[in-house]
Amino acid sequence: DAGVIQSPRHEVTEMGQEVTLRCKPISGHNSLFWYRQTMMRGLELLIYFNNNVPIDDSGMPEDRFSAKMPNASFSTLKIQPSEPRDSAVYFCASSLGGLAAQETQYFGPGTRLLVL
Amino acid sequence: KQEVTQIPAALSVPEGENLVLNCSFTDSAIYNLQWFRQDPGKGLTSLLLIQSSQREQTSGRLNASLDKSSGRSTLYIAASQPGDSATYLCAVYMDSNYQLIWGAGTKLIIKP
Repeated sequence: DAGVIQSPRHEVTEMGQEVTLRCKPISGHNSLFWYRQTMMRGLELLIYFNNNVPIDDSGMPEDRFSAKMPNASFSTLKIQPSEPRDSAVYFCASSLGGLAAQETQYFGPGTRLLVL
Repeated sequence: KQEVTQIPAALSVPEGENLVLNCSFTDSAIYNLQWFRQDPGKGLTSLLLIQSSQREQTSGRLNASLDKSSGRSTLYIAASQPGDSATYLCAVYMDSNYQLIWGAGTKLIIKP
C-alpha cells in the first residue's frame, strides 16, 4: 500500500485566498483524522471522520475551516478565506478501527501551508 | 484533563550510546500509549504501541516501557546511530476516546 497520500505537499498563498488540502487514506481504513502542527501549539486534532461521517469537529478553529469526506478514499480540508495565522503543517492520518477504536494512526507526509 | 509531558525538549548524544527518552502523563486511566517518530519535513511514523495492561514492547533496538501507576513511559534506544536523529513524540489514548493526546516531543540528535 502507498500509505496515506496528501496533496499538495507545499502551498503558498496570499491572505484571503481559498486553500484546499486533499487526503487519500489507506484503503480499508475506517477512521480519518485531520491535524494541524505548529511550533507554538504542537499537534492539534481538527476533525475526525469515521465511515465518512464527521464525528468530532470541535477542533476546527472557526467557520473559515471546513472538511468533507465524500467517500472512503478521499477527504478535503478547506480554508476560506485563508489568514497568515493559518500557516502550519496539516497532516491527514487514518486508522483501521471503528468508532472510538484506539488503534495506531498512519500519517501522511503533510501539507506545508504558508499564507502571506 | 490529561496532560502529556516530554522532557527534555532536545537531546544530543554521541553515536553508539544507549539513551532513554521520557514521557509522563497526569491521568493514569489510559487505554494505550504510543511512541512516534517524526523526521524533518515528514509525517509521523508509529514506532511502538503499549496497551495499558502491558509493561513493555520491543522492536529491534527500541524498547518502550510503561508504568501506569506512576504515569510514566520511557523509550530506550540501544546503540544509537545518526539515522536515529528525529523528533520522538509520545501520545496516549484514554478509555473510550478516539482522540490521541500528544506530548510536545523530544528532538534527538545523534552526533557521528
